[in-house]
Amino acid sequence: DTGVSQDPRHKITKRGQNVTFRCDPISEHNRLYWYRQTLGQGPEFLTYFQNEAQLEKSRLLSDRFSAERPKGSFSTLEIQRTEQGDSAMYLCASSSRKVHSRETQYFGPGTRLLVL
Amino acid sequence: AQKITQTQPGMFVQEKEAVTLDCTYDTSDQSYGLFWYKQPSSGEMIFLIYQGSYDEQNATEGRYSLNFQKARKSANLVISASQLGDSAMYFCAMREDNNDMRFGAGTRLTVKP
Repeated sequence: DTGVSQDPRHKITKRGQNVTFRCDPISEHNRLYWYRQTLGQGPEFLTYFQNEAQLEKSRLLSDRFSAERPKGSFSTLEIQRTEQGDSAMYLCASSSRKVHSRETQYFGPGTRLLVL
Repeated sequence: AQKITQTQPGMFVQEKEAVTLDCTYDTSDQSYGLFWYKQPSSGEMIFLIYQGSYDEQNATEGRYSLNFQKARKSANLVISASQLGDSAMYFCAMREDNNDMRFGAGTRLTVKP
């Protein structure tokens, strides 16, 4: 295991469908983050987990979005009733806990979602 | 409020020359971390370099160095001896102790042969 992996890499769906993305962090990392990145912008924080506990959620994370990390290893991000505005790159990152501001996050390759 | 500002949407540099990518930030915290990431067209965010607010020396990692000017709240990335493979988007990010990582809008660097 050399890095963070995400699956699928690309997803095309029709408006109103549900989609689920998976993230496998670096194995010894206990923190896992989800970000959304739209074209021409930097990543925006969505939520993060420390082990299996979801510690923070951004106001960007509407009630159609849910994330889980049931065993403190991999995580899933589900979007229900997708909208065209959900089209974006969804990035996952992981880190091992240090002093918060010094913590380096390592990113996966992302899942690019297109909602038609 | 925008916490990270990258004023250069795009930059060009000749291969083998050095280039500086600008980043300014806004915080009232004393303890924070500054990060630079590279994002090639494949989409993955690659960590390049880190600077802590209490670090007295500028961070360096191979061809990357960070020109940290705390009083001016700037954390510019310097890439020396540019290579064609350096062409990518570059993002500056900041993390305060009680907040999440915030990213700038990025700078697209193009290295010309």
